[in-house]
Amino acid sequence: LAKTTQPISMDSYEGQEVNITCSHNNIATNDYITWYQQFPSQGPRFIIQGYKTKVTNEVASLFIPADRKSSTLSLPRVSLSDTAVYYCLVGDEGGSYIPTFGRGTSLIVHP
Amino acid sequence: ETGVTQSPTHLIKTRGQQVTLRCSSQSGHNTVSWYQQALGQGPQFIFQYYREEENGRGNFPPRFSGLQFPNYSSELNVNALELDDSALYLCASSLAYTGGPMNTEAFFGQGTRLTVV
Repeated sequence: LAKTTQPISMDSYEGQEVNITCSHNNIATNDYITWYQQFPSQGPRFIIQGYKTKVTNEVASLFIPADRKSSTLSLPRVSLSDTAVYYCLVGDEGGSYIPTFGRGTSLIVHP
Repeated sequence: ETGVTQSPTHLIKTRGQQVTLRCSSQSGHNTVSWYQQALGQGPQFIFQYYREEENGRGNFPPRFSGLQFPNYSSELNVNALELDDSALYLCASSLAYTGGPMNTEAFFGQGTRLTVV
């Protein structure tokens, strides 16, 4: 049973805001929600993490509704360099954090 | 730069051979996880080591084995290589806490590209 579900791909244009939504219906009480970015032939890079409501950093915002069954990564004013695969992860059970990746969302930013 | 380094960056092996991949964790991190990423797929969890002991394992056969050393560096060993083992192998280090909710960020290395021919 997949922990998370994301769109396979998205297209956008430079300067636009991009919102990628992830479903995690079976999220556990202690699970955090983490988003990673990956460029080709590189390791994933941490973007943002949250537990509930809204989290913002210099790169992105993360919106989490009260039921925590989904989350939305928001990238403001994307540029060509934001073209990458974005992964949504939730924390594993049992008190140890094992990042478990799905297929991710391939975002292509067009000029 | 994440502070996690992997070696070698690229490797070509013949089917049936054995390979050892190495990872140097970020300073202060006590947990290392290894992933296999096939082309076009997300990283698949192989196993995790916490303080030199295996702390979890994904759906990989026993010919995938690992070690974590006292300085928290790590090795991934794969025996009897198969063509399907060709992939990018990623190492991620993190700092695990005992008890309470986990909010640990994992730092990934650049990976080792293994090609089995």
